[in-house]
Amino acid sequence: AQKITQTQPGMFVQEKEAVTLDCTYDTSDPSYGLFWYKQPSSGEMIFLIYQGSYDQQNATEGRYSLNFQKARKSANLVISASQLGDSAMYFCARDHSGAGSYQLTFGKGTKLSVIP
Amino acid sequence: DVKVTQSSRYLVKRTGEKVFLECVQDMDHENMFWYRQDPGLGLRLIYFSYDVKMKEKGDIPEGYSVSREKKERFSLILESASTNQTSMYLCASSQPRQLSSGNTIYFGEGSWLTVV
Repeated sequence: AQKITQTQPGMFVQEKEAVTLDCTYDTSDPSYGLFWYKQPSSGEMIFLIYQGSYDQQNATEGRYSLNFQKARKSANLVISASQLGDSAMYFCARDHSGAGSYQLTFGKGTKLSVIP
Repeated sequence: DVKVTQSSRYLVKRTGEKVFLECVQDMDHENMFWYRQDPGLGLRLIYFSYDVKMKEKGDIPEGYSVSREKKERFSLILESASTNQTSMYLCASSQPRQLSSGNTIYFGEGSWLTVV
C-alpha cells in the first residue's frame, strides 16, 4: 500500500513566524501528485496546494509553499507569516490510480497550533 | 463552487442499529468516496464509486456497505452499528481524470457518528 508519513503529530509556532510541516511518501511510480489539505476544528477539508512529480518548480499558493525534494521523496509544506487562523490539522496526501478511479492516500496529519 | 453535502453533522445511534449516512454532490462528478477519520490514524478509505451502481472496496470496508443509485448521491450504510464505528465520516467527490490542482478531491463537512 502507498504510504504517507507525517512524523510530527503536533507543532507549535509563534504568530507571524514561518513553520514547516514534514511529509514523506512511498512510490515506485514515475508520475504522481502530492496534495496538502487543511482541516479546521469545524471538520471540513480544505485543499491548499498541489505538486506534480514532473513540475520543475516548487508549488506556491499565497502563504503556502511546497518544499519538494523528489530524490528524498519528501513534500514539506511551508507556511509563512503564520496567523491564528492557521491553527488546524494538516494532511499530506498522494494520488494513485486503481479500479477505475484516481484516489488519494493520506498521512496521519499534523496538528498545528499558532500561539499569539 | 463544488458542493458536497452530508445530510447529518452529528448522529447518536445505538449498538445494532442500521445507520445511513447520505451524501450529495452538485458538480456531476463520476467519482465519490467515503472516508473515516480517527485521531492518530488520519483518513482511511472505506468505499468508493466511479459510476452509478458501481462500488469498490477501500482499505477498511468491513462492517460497511454503500449504495449509489443516482450519480449525485452516495450512501454509506452501517448494517449493524458497533461502538468501534464511532468516528467522523467524510464524503468526497472528484472527476474521473487524473487528480491535479484543477481536479482535486472535494470533501463534505463531515458527519460525527457516536454509537452507544
